[in-house]
Amino acid sequence: AQKVTQAQTEISVVEKEDVTLDCVYETRDTTYYLFWYKQPPSGELVFLIRRNSFDEQNEISGRYSWNFQKSTSSFNFTITASQVVDSAVYFCALTGAPNTGNQFYFGTGTSLTVIP
Amino acid sequence: GAGVSQSPSNKVTEKGKDVELRCDPISGHTALYWYRQRLGQGLEFLIYFQGNSAPDKSGLPSDRFSAERTGESVSTLTIQRTQQEDSAVYLCASSLYLVGYEQYFGPGTRLTVT
Repeated sequence: AQKVTQAQTEISVVEKEDVTLDCVYETRDTTYYLFWYKQPPSGELVFLIRRNSFDEQNEISGRYSWNFQKSTSSFNFTITASQVVDSAVYFCALTGAPNTGNQFYFGTGTSLTVIP
Repeated sequence: GAGVSQSPSNKVTEKGKDVELRCDPISGHTALYWYRQRLGQGLEFLIYFQGNSAPDKSGLPSDRFSAERTGESVSTLTIQRTQQEDSAVYLCASSLYLVGYEQYFGPGTRLTVT
């Protein structure tokens, strides 16, 4: 089965704190892709990052970093020195081949509130 | 370049009426997806189009829901005899037809059935 689990429903942090959003996935595919999307209060989902199953290197983009670990089937997202503008719902997603075809599987999202 | 656009942005309709929602994908994106997002919930897959292939309709919740796409361009999602439980934001996304390529989302249509 293909599944993405985001166990954290809501997180609140004070501005400048670091925060990690968890994502655990299940897949039968040997080749698969993981994504993070941000959905700010305005509502439009914004693509943040894509990783493929063959690249376990962690990635850093400014205050954002992603930790992909196949051993634990996790793809966690860390925001360093959080800001109010980071307040949003964050979704983790999975797709791959051949079992998932072109369908994307989204987690239920983590709502992050950064308190000034 | 232009992103995914959807219209209308908001739609209020009476129970029992039909509604039509429109999606214009990014030019060159052959894959197109429709999702439903109820208030405070995650994304629920509805339907997927790829080029001229038969669409994947496995997510449509009932036969009141249907969708069409003309070639690799505009798609319309039609909900017949709307019910109050159809109230949600309907999101459209497009993508290149490459396994693992990211989806780009439109702003959504907020549907309210009264």
